[in-house]
Amino acid sequence: DAGVIQSPRHEVTEMGQEVTLRCKPISGHDYLFWYRQTMMRGLELLIYFNNNVPIDDSGMPEDRFSAKMPNASFSTLKIQPSEPRDSAVYFCASSFGSGAGETQYFGPGTRLLVL
Amino acid sequence: GQQVMQIPQYQHVQEGEDFTTYCNSSTTLSNIQWYKQRPGGHPVFLIQLVKSGEVKKQKRLTFQFGEAKKNSSLHITATQTTDVGTYFCAGLRGGNTGKLIFGQGTTLQVKP
Repeated sequence: DAGVIQSPRHEVTEMGQEVTLRCKPISGHDYLFWYRQTMMRGLELLIYFNNNVPIDDSGMPEDRFSAKMPNASFSTLKIQPSEPRDSAVYFCASSFGSGAGETQYFGPGTRLLVL
Repeated sequence: GQQVMQIPQYQHVQEGEDFTTYCNSSTTLSNIQWYKQRPGGHPVFLIQLVKSGEVKKQKRLTFQFGEAKKNSSLHITATQTTDVGTYFCAGLRGGNTGKLIFGQGTTLQVKP
């Protein structure tokens, strides 16, 4: 298996622009997680899905952030409009099972820089 | 809300020295996982501990889960330069549906 795939790997954009991050989880995994990592705040869970349904979005910073999972093999995280403070590494992770502590497999991340 | 605290935040050691990072939760955990993130990389799963007082070893790495299931530790014996990275613990509350709470991580630097 190719593992969790994320695109783009790097994104540089200007403040106010829309940014869309993409994730393809490992085939067969039924949980998908979006994390944001910064030096100041560490690794933060933004939202996670189970069987394509959002379960907990309490970590989404504000209305500028939205996430979708239209099918089992694809998810997007959108920021509109983007701001410099959104600069971070965004990781997607997936796992399989009942959710009771199954191993999470992380993608390589998208390094976002908002100017 | 639930928090998982990790200490120290940073640790610099000489190659060959031992290293330990500690993880403490404000609530009882159903299990705890440890991940390692190399510089510029992504977190990679190392191990999961489930039972109270459990101890697991992976070569030079020893993982412990506290008796009360509220704390954990990772100990590395005789560090090597390949051990460089950030080590995260991540806890799961009982009855939770999959949401891991990550600690802030301990970044290990090893001087050759």
